[in-house]
Parts: sequence; C-alpha cells; structure tokens
Amino acid sequence: KAGVTQTPRYLIKTRGQQVTLSCSPISGHRSVSWYQQTPGQGLQFLFEYFSETQRNKGNFPGRFSGRQFSNSRSEMNVSTLELGDSALYLCASSLVFGELFFGEGSRLTVL
Amino acid sequence: SQQGEEDPQALSIQEGENATMNCSYKTSINNLQWYRQNSGRGLVHLILIRSNEREKHSGRLRVTLDTSKKSSSLLITASRAADTASYFCATDNYGQNFVFGPGTRLSVLP
Repeated sequence: KAGVTQTPRYLIKTRGQQVTLSCSPISGHRSVSWYQQTPGQGLQFLFEYFSETQRNKGNFPGRFSGRQFSNSRSEMNVSTLELGDSALYLCASSLVFGELFFGEGSRLTVL
Repeated sequence: SQQGEEDPQALSIQEGENATMNCSYKTSINNLQWYRQNSGRGLVHLILIRSNEREKHSGRLRVTLDTSKKSSSLLITASRAADTASYFCATDNYGQNFVFGPGTRLSVLP
C-alpha cells in the first residue's frame, strides 16, 4: 500500500508569492491533516479535512487555506508569502481519528 | 498553546542504554500517541495509549500514562544508533485535532 505522498518535496519562493502544496493520502483514508513545522514553534496544526469538509482549523492567518477533493487528495495554499512561512509542511492521513500517517513533507524556503 | 511538553529537550546516551522521555499535558485527553522523526523527514507513529490504559508495550518501547498527573513516559530499552531521532508526544483533544509537544532529541552514540 502506497504511503502518503507530498509534492513538491522542496521549493523556494520569494516574499509576496503564493504556493500550493499537494498531498495524496493513503488509499481509503478520508481524513487529511496539515501541520507546519519550524525550529522555533515546533509542529503547529493548520487544518484537517474529512470528506471534502474542513472539520478543524488551527490558529493561522487567512493566508493559509486548504481544500480536499472527492478522491481525498488535499492541497494547501499560502498566499502573500512571508519569510516566517519558511517551514516543513507535513501532511498526514488517517483512516479514523487515531494513528496519523505522515508524508515526508514539503520544505518551503521563502527568500 | 501547546498541549504536550516533552522532557528533556535533548538526551544523549550510549548504545545499549535505556532512554526515557517524558510528556506532560494540560487538559483531558482521549488518547496519547508517540511519534518519531528522523532529521527533516516525516513522523512515524510508534504507539498509542488510551486514557483508560496505564501501560503499553511494543517491542523495545514501553509507554506509561498517568492521567491524574497528566503525564506520559516513553522508555526505549537497549537503544541502538538507529534510534537517534526526535520523539514527539501528541494528545488527542477528543476529535478536535492532535497537539504535538516540542519533542525530545535523542542521540544514541555507538
């Protein structure tokens, strides 16, 4: 069974640009969560989707948004990038609200 | 605010020794999980312990949970160099979301 796939793995953007990250969950998993990981703040919850609906949202500004498609694949978008958005963005899928299966992450560098 | 807080922040031991990491949390939980992260990679689930369980084992891992003290510990026995990683506890706020602690960086020296 294929694991959680995140693309792209690495990307470099400049301030003011926007970025879209993609996550393909494990087949059959309908819940997809997104986390931001930085050295200073650790793992911060962004949002969680289940069956195309956002069920939970963390304390991030509106520049951070996401969506989930009917095939459970998810995307997150960050608009008007700031230097502080540089981070490892992790996607996790789960079958039920329990064990999370993480992808390898998308490492975003904002210059 | 973060729910879980691991202690210590960093731990360095010799191969073959045991490593103990602690996690404290603030509010009631449904379950608590431990994850491992190798440098810059995704997290890997290690073990889940439910709020009505006190101890759980998985291979060389032993997890305890004390809900009265709102704390958990992860013991890795007979550590190996491959155990070098960061370890995170995550608490489940009754279906709202998982909250991760800052993690413990474990270094196992050969």
